[in-house]
Amino acid sequence: GENVEQHPSTLSVQEGDSAVIKCTYSDSASNYFPWYKQELGKRPQLIIDIRSNVGEKKDQRIAVTLNKTAKHFSLHITETQPEDSAVYFCAASANSGYALNFGKGTSLLVTP
Amino acid sequence: DTAVSQTPKYLVTQMGNDKSIKCEQNLGHDTMYWYKQDSKKFLKIMFSYNNKELIINETVPNRFSPKSPDKAHLNLHINSLELGDSAVYFCASSQGGSNSPLHFGNGTRLTVT
Repeated sequence: GENVEQHPSTLSVQEGDSAVIKCTYSDSASNYFPWYKQELGKRPQLIIDIRSNVGEKKDQRIAVTLNKTAKHFSLHITETQPEDSAVYFCAASANSGYALNFGKGTSLLVTP
Repeated sequence: DTAVSQTPKYLVTQMGNDKSIKCEQNLGHDTMYWYKQDSKKFLKIMFSYNNKELIINETVPNRFSPKSPDKAHLNLHINSLELGDSAVYFCASSQGGSNSPLHFGNGTRLTVT
């Protein structure tokens, strides 16, 4: 199936700094790329998504960029806050159209 | 109102038992999923259903049998539980397949002893 690689697996930043998480995918048919945030003991929740016809999308402190040619996309969080601490997952739509394939997650820790 | 609800939240059982997890969504979505999250937090697709039809069965042992009585429900029955089945199982739903956001339930933490 579709392979989604995510880096880094852990990321520690100081409050106010920026955090960047990168993902690559293998299936050129993928056209939908969401990002999910999962706090400890809770369900994954969508924070931002991007479709293949868009190169960049921003929502307040978070932004996602997509390079379809290179098959990679990235999540950028600016002015990080302690409540941003969580596990973040990237995902890419499978060519079946009926599954999202997830990266292995990035554990982000924002220290005050 | 919980959009995707699954029960039970916790399930502790012994090896060899059979157990079920139920999932219901009130979002009017046509696609439902089961994902397994292991101890390393990896989220792996198990099954997806569209309008009650099985679309994806991702190399899951046949001890796992999903059932979708209607498009708002997708239940998961597991026979002959093994230690390796211990994980958090998430139900999710979306509209029109995986090119739209998945909404996850709160998860069922299964512990097999």
